[in-house]
Amino acid sequence: QSVLTQPPSASGTPGQRVTISCSGRSSNIGTNTVNWYQQLPGTAPKLLIYADNHRASGVPDRFSGSKSDTSASLAISGLQSEDEADYYCATWDDRLNGPVFGGGTKLTVL
Amino acid sequence: EVQLVESGGGLVKPGGSLRLSCATSGFSFSPHAINWVRQAPGKGLEWVAFVRGGSNYMFFADSVKGRFTISRDNAENSVNLQMDTLRAEDTAVYYCASSGGVDISMLAYWGQGTLVTVSS
Repeated sequence: QSVLTQPPSASGTPGQRVTISCSGRSSNIGTNTVNWYQQLPGTAPKLLIYADNHRASGVPDRFSGSKSDTSASLAISGLQSEDEADYYCATWDDRLNGPVFGGGTKLTVL
Repeated sequence: EVQLVESGGGLVKPGGSLRLSCATSGFSFSPHAINWVRQAPGKGLEWVAFVRGGSNYMFFADSVKGRFTISRDNAENSVNLQMDTLRAEDTAVYYCASSGGVDISMLAYWGQGTLVTVSS
């Protein structure tokens, strides 16, 4: 069981807006910044959002991140077929004294 | 161009050992932490280990503590992951990734991964 909780799946139709949640606790999300990764099928993960809400280089502004208390969210607007991927949140956990991932969310574009 | 290239994966019997290497180029290696992250077939990402730049502080996940060691060579811009007493549950694609700055969990660059299969 992952330290950070993500829904296992999410879906949307082209053009829609979808959000993916990442729930943690005070020792991780409540204290440290959150990063998001996108893993397209058969490829290595790629940094998508860092420090809660900053887009990595080359990431379209359709992707945005936010955080409140012990939860973070990734929003994708204007959904496109190429957004179909697995998405992971990650942060540092002060109690575990190490970095942690969420369990991942598989996004399907219908 | 930033590159991280893993090597050393393969098939090994339970109880055996394997040494993975991560060769890097295109960025200032010494200050940055280098991480190993693995992904078992059909599963999510798991942090395995990291070694900080500068201080050489090391972290290991509980699942590998006492069996895996990590070392970095700042002259060669490379990091090795020595994996001993391997178990079936260590079967995974192993990625090396560089941390972007102070935040270890911000993995700015990733390699393509190397597959480790532990099976008799």
